[in-house]
Amino acid sequence: GENVEQHPSTLSVQEGDSAVIKCTYSDSASNYFPWYKQELGKRPQLIIDIRSNVGEKKDQRIAVTLNKTAKHFSLHITETQPEDSAVYFCAASIDRPGTYKYIFGTGTRLKVLA
Amino acid sequence: DTGVSQNPRHKITKRGQNVTFRCDPISEHNRLYWYRQTLGQGPEFLTYFQNEAQLEKSRLLSDRFSAERPKGSFSTLEIQRTEQGDSAMYLCASSFGGTGGLNTEAFFGQGTRLTVV
Repeated sequence: GENVEQHPSTLSVQEGDSAVIKCTYSDSASNYFPWYKQELGKRPQLIIDIRSNVGEKKDQRIAVTLNKTAKHFSLHITETQPEDSAVYFCAASIDRPGTYKYIFGTGTRLKVLA
Repeated sequence: DTGVSQNPRHKITKRGQNVTFRCDPISEHNRLYWYRQTLGQGPEFLTYFQNEAQLEKSRLLSDRFSAERPKGSFSTLEIQRTEQGDSAMYLCASSFGGTGGLNTEAFFGQGTRLTVV
């Protein structure tokens, strides 16, 4: 079936440390993997994404890695700051004729302690 | 504001009543999605439109839920005979399906928070 598992559900790190969030997807037709940040009471917003033909992508302090064989992808945040505190969702976009939906993970609540 | 717009932002209704939500996507986006989000959970897929065609509906979605996108622009989501379990945030998102159908970033609206009392 179509499923995305996300771990951990909560993560607390000291300011300046790194944070890693991991996701696993089930549908091999998935080929686009966005990560969203959702602050309290706000809409989810894209922070980084990766396509299946790429193994890693980096944007300043944020990076995403993809292991297509193992169906794993991860979000890495370095030099964390208090404003990074939010809920992060991974998603897998299934690319099959007639189906281009996004399946989301259950979220990770990240707390950056000052 | 050229982003995804949803109305109303909040809706309180009595059990058994019908409610309708509206979503105005980003104008050039051909794909539109409805999701439901409950506290502490990720967005749960409800349905998806490619232009005006509803191409997929979640198997978990009750027959009380219906969605339309009549002209391939705005969309409405109707819930009939609401139940307390329908209380949630209803999110709309839109994206542009590019060459070969590959998906791109989905932009979310602010959501409609439904409370069924």
